This record gives sequence, structure tokens and C-alpha cells, in this order.
Amino acid sequence: DGGITQSPKYLFRKEGQNVTLSCEQNLNHDAMYWYRQDPGQGLRLIYYSQIVNDFQKGDIAEGYSVSREKKESFPLTVTSAQKNPTAFYLCASSTQTSSYEQYFGPGTRLTVT
Amino acid sequence: EDQVTQSPEALRLQEGESSSLNCSYTVSGLRGLFWYRQDPGKGPEFLFTLYSAGEEKEKERLKATLTKKESFLHITAPKPEDSATYLCAVRANAGNMLTFGGGTRLMVKP
Repeated sequence: DGGITQSPKYLFRKEGQNVTLSCEQNLNHDAMYWYRQDPGQGLRLIYYSQIVNDFQKGDIAEGYSVSREKKESFPLTVTSAQKNPTAFYLCASSTQTSSYEQYFGPGTRLTVT
Repeated sequence: EDQVTQSPEALRLQEGESSSLNCSYTVSGLRGLFWYRQDPGKGPEFLFTLYSAGEEKEKERLKATLTKKESFLHITAPKPEDSATYLCAVRANAGNMLTFGGGTRLMVKP
């Protein structure tokens, strides 16, 4: 089955620690995205990548970093510089042609205390 | 700057009570309007893409329509399993990026 996987589903960290969230897709999509969702709010774009070894900042990139070494993988690191990291993180992917609709993974809920 | 506003923020319906959700947008050149359904604690599930004013798409009890300034998601005779948050997003100009609205939380009571 084609799809997007994110791991882990729940993640707990102490303040001051960096943490990496995993995102893998087997849809053969070129573009991948990371969003943050806070309670009762819509999605805000953190980073996106349209091709391997290239990525761009979204609206709220401060305190986050990404890499895109493989087409299938787009890990997100939440660094200690992110002032309010507790949130629900969503990864998505899309084609670069046709309809451009994005398909989402199941999400990772990160809690930092 | 692209903006998407969804209303109402929350909507409570009785089973079978039809209604509509609104998505108003301001973009510089609409390239697509997307509707998603999101269940609590899960990732959004793609429902529809609309491209031009007058376009309509249907799926079971849901019908999405598009004008030059807004989109409606009509829910006909809803069931409790339709309870979810419905998200609207727009794609503008030539980029891949979507701008999301804040969502409408729909609750359907039996």
C-alpha cells in the first residue's frame, strides 16, 4: 500500500534537547512538507522540499531544521532553539504536476516538558 | 498575502440536519481549492479539489462548490460518523504550497 508513515506517534522530550521526527513516503512524490498544528488551529508550514538535496523555509522555520537526502525521506529536527515545541506535527507529500493535492501522514504528537 | 477564513469555527447538527460550511479566500491567482477531513489525533484526509468558479464535486453526503471568493461544503443528511474537523486550503500562483484555514469542527449528534 502506498502512503506516508511518521514515527513515532507520540514523543516526549525534556526542554533543551533536540529531537528528530521521521517521515517516509512510498508514493514516488517529488515534493514533501512539514506542518505544525496547535490545538483548534489550522496547519502552518515549517519547511518544504521540491527535490532531493533542496528545501525552503516555510512560515515558521525558526528553531527547526530538515534534510532531504533521499526522495522518500524528509526528517524534521526540532531544536532547543524552538521556544514552544509542544504541538502536533504533520508530514505531507505531493506531485509537482497535475492537481498538486497533498497527502498527509498520521502525525507525531510532540510534548516537551 | 494569501488568506483563508473558515466559518463557523464549530457547528453542532442533529443527525439528518443538512447544513453548509464556508471557506472564504483572498489569493493572487487561484490555482486550486482543497477540502480535507481531519479526525482527532489523525492526519488530514483529502476530499476534493476545485479549480474554477462554478465547479462542483460530490462524495457521498458531501458536495463542494466554488465561487470567485468562497467555497461551500454542503453536508446533506449528516450522520454521526461525519463528525470531524473540515479544513480548507488554497494553492495560489505557480507554487506548490497550500495556505490553510483554521477549520470547522463539525459535531453530528444522533
